[in-house]
Order: sequence, then C-alpha cells, then structure tokens
Amino acid sequence: RKEVEQDPGPFNVPEGATVAFNCTYSNSASQSFFWYRQDCRKEPKLLMSVYSSGNEDGRFTAQLNRASQYISLLIRDSKLSDSATYLCVVTLRNFYNQGGKLIFGQGTELSVKP
Amino acid sequence: DAGVTQSPTHLIKTRGQQVTLRCSPKSGHDTVSWYQQALGQGPQFIFQYYEEEERQRGNFPDRFSGHQFPNYSSELNVNALLLGDSALYLCASSTGYVQETQYFGPGTRLLVL
Repeated sequence: RKEVEQDPGPFNVPEGATVAFNCTYSNSASQSFFWYRQDCRKEPKLLMSVYSSGNEDGRFTAQLNRASQYISLLIRDSKLSDSATYLCVVTLRNFYNQGGKLIFGQGTELSVKP
Repeated sequence: DAGVTQSPTHLIKTRGQQVTLRCSPKSGHDTVSWYQQALGQGPQFIFQYYEEEERQRGNFPDRFSGHQFPNYSSELNVNALLLGDSALYLCASSTGYVQETQYFGPGTRLLVL
C-alpha cells in the first residue's frame, strides 16, 4: 500500500465549478500535512498547510481528519489558472524527532476549461 | 531574496556514468532535502542534510550520495547511472531543527541514455 494515496484523476471541469481532491495516508505517526501545486515541468509549490480545525485561503479550503487519516482540498469557483497537478503531502520525522521528510502522493491533475 | 537554485537545469548522461547535481538553499535556510520525480509520479524523498550531516534517508541505493557544505549548499551524486535514474531531481530547502515547510528549486532534468 502506498504511504499517500490520491484520486487518480485527471479532473476536467468548467470554469466556476467546485472541485474536491481526496487523499489518504497510511502512517498514523505522520505529523504535518500540506497541499502542493505543481505546474507542468515546474517545481512543486506550497499551496497550503492542512490543520485538523480546517483552514481556508480564499477559494481554497483544506481539511484533515486524523482519525480517518484523510485529507481533502476543495477549490471553489475554479479558474483557468487553477489548472495544475495537486500533490497531497505528509511529513515524517526521524527517530530523533528531527527533520521533515516529505512524502508525496502521486498527484491529481486538474484541467479547468473555459 | 534569492530562492532555491539548482544547476545544471538539464543533463544527458549514458549508462554507467556518474553525475553531480548542485543546490543552493534559499537565503536563511540551513537544511537541504533531495527528491527524485519520475514522469507522472510524485517526488520521492532521497535524503536530507542538516549541519553537514545526512539526517534522514529514503529507499534509495548507495549509488545515491550527497554532501552539504559549510555555506549550506549541497550536492547530490549518482554513480553507475541506470536508465531508470532518468527523472527530475528536486532540491528543497528549509530552516530549523524541525524542517517541515520546504521550498523547492526548479530542478535538474536528468536523462540517462
């Protein structure tokens, strides 16, 4: 089983649609949670951190359910510029509680059409 | 404020050769992590350097080695290249003892023929 699993995608949606990405992780010791965005042939960029209380940044809402080991990202009123691959990420520290090893899902591609 | 920089941007090698990739972290960052991203996959963690020591390592063979210099820059070395090593190699920098918010460089595209 993969450590982080995401919807396989791709998602093709019209402008203005609401789209939801789902992600599950297998290691209950995972400490921090993020969504990254990656444009074609570019590096991943941090979109937002994810907290159990839920957090919102404009049109983007992220949610974490530790009990179910489930992470979600909701994009409202999608724009053409939202087209990208969305990567679900969890972190694990080492035995000495150091470091932040990022563990990525395989990514879900989103294509927003006019 | 310069972000994370990597060199070279592209590289073509043949099987069996060795390659060295370089990374300079974002100003103020002291930790460097390396990731390999194959086509259509998410990045896979290779290793992380902090205080010039390897602090964590992913499931990569010993052919993959690294180094961090006193100025916090880092190198990734891959020996005995295989076709399967063709990928985008990403460097990420962060700061502090627990380094979780990581910022990525543009990557080096390696093609092994």
